[in-house]
Amino acid sequence: AQSVTQLDSQVPVFEEAPVELRCNYSSSVSVYLFWYVQYPNQGLQLLLKYLSGSTLVESINGFEAEFNKSQTSFHLRKPSVHISDTAEYFCAVTPLYNTDKLIFGTGTRLQVFP
Amino acid sequence: GAGVSQSPSNKVTEKGKDVELRCDPISGHTALYWYRQSLGQGLEFLIYFQGNSAPDKSGLPSDRFSAERTGGSVSTLTIQRTQQEDSAVYLCASSLGSGGHEQYFGPGTRLTVT
Repeated sequence: AQSVTQLDSQVPVFEEAPVELRCNYSSSVSVYLFWYVQYPNQGLQLLLKYLSGSTLVESINGFEAEFNKSQTSFHLRKPSVHISDTAEYFCAVTPLYNTDKLIFGTGTRLQVFP
Repeated sequence: GAGVSQSPSNKVTEKGKDVELRCDPISGHTALYWYRQSLGQGLEFLIYFQGNSAPDKSGLPSDRFSAERTGGSVSTLTIQRTQQEDSAVYLCASSLGSGGHEQYFGPGTRLTVT
């Protein structure tokens, strides 16, 4: 079985500061990894994903995440956040042998203050 | 094009009543998923449909929960004899298939059982 841990339920940060949202997973098999974002009053949207290849993946709005197999982590980072980044961020995995369903973490609420 | 739609957006029901939640996936998407988002518990996989294959019901929490997908398109999640612990946001997603394809989420149905 797989599980995902997001240790930080809330992360407050000032605008233009860097941020890291932590994600660790547990799995005995290889997995695909995802970050989804849920903006206020909106549905979940895919932010970025790691399937294979380069362990550093980037999104179009400046977020990046690095797959670290030895540490079983997929932390999300942004060097300078904006007010508009305020949202709930969910890390998720799916095992390669059964990519039919996503296993989500409990989410991290990023609150960006002016 | 149109995204995943769900109805109703909000549903308040009395304990013991049955409810039906509807999901219209993106046209052409063969895979359809139901998740439940409870306060402080992240997203929980419920059921998965892929084409004409038998659905993966491994996430359904009890036999009060059932779902069907008619004609490979619209899906209905039914909860019988609702309980207060069923209160949550029920999310539907669709994708082109498994294998790491992005899941597109609907806005959800907020169910409140009084």
